[in-house]
Amino acid sequence: ELKVEQNPLFLSMQEGKNYTIYCNYSTTSDRLYWYRQDPGKSLESLFVLLSNGAVKQEGRLMASLDTKARLSTLHITAAVHDLSATYFCAARYGNKLVFGAGTILRVKS
Amino acid sequence: DTEVTQTPKHLVMGMTNKKSLKCEQHMGHRAMYWYKQKAKKPPELMFVYSYEKLSINESVPSRFSPECPNSSLLNLHLHALQPEDSALYLCASSQVANYGYTFGSGTRLTVV
Repeated sequence: ELKVEQNPLFLSMQEGKNYTIYCNYSTTSDRLYWYRQDPGKSLESLFVLLSNGAVKQEGRLMASLDTKARLSTLHITAAVHDLSATYFCAARYGNKLVFGAGTILRVKS
Repeated sequence: DTEVTQTPKHLVMGMTNKKSLKCEQHMGHRAMYWYKQKAKKPPELMFVYSYEKLSINESVPSRFSPECPNSSLLNLHLHALQPEDSALYLCASSQVANYGYTFGSGTRLTVV
């Protein structure tokens, strides 16, 4: 059974600094997803990573995938306040999408 | 249309009530999903429909009854729920062989 672990679970960031969220998964998965969720809202798709070495960037967020290490990272460059939200990684296993516990990001001025 | 539409957005129901949640998509996706999300927790898979047939039931209690009347519509029938069933219920859809999942905005359910 696939298990997905994220860390840290909570990240207090200072504006302008760089941070990384880590996502480990326990068994082979062919797709890794990152989502953002604002309080009381649904999931917003950020990235889909399909292959080893995949790197995708959107604004201040960059996601990468190492399938050999079963590790994905979400790197935040020069944090700004509007990045405050909960970020989930999820891995696909058959027809299931299995989520990590989520990382709560708070950006302090 | 690139959306998954869920109705109602909010629902309050008593423990003896019967209600239904509705999910609709017109993207031609042939896989549809129900997820349950408790506060400060990740979404948890409940059911998967593939080509209108139930393919996964994650040992969900029978007070939750899914239905897929056609390829665009997914329902979740609720009966005799407990207060601990209060949560955000998310519907999602995807092409069976594709990689993108589209989530609806969710139904916030409160059981009193």
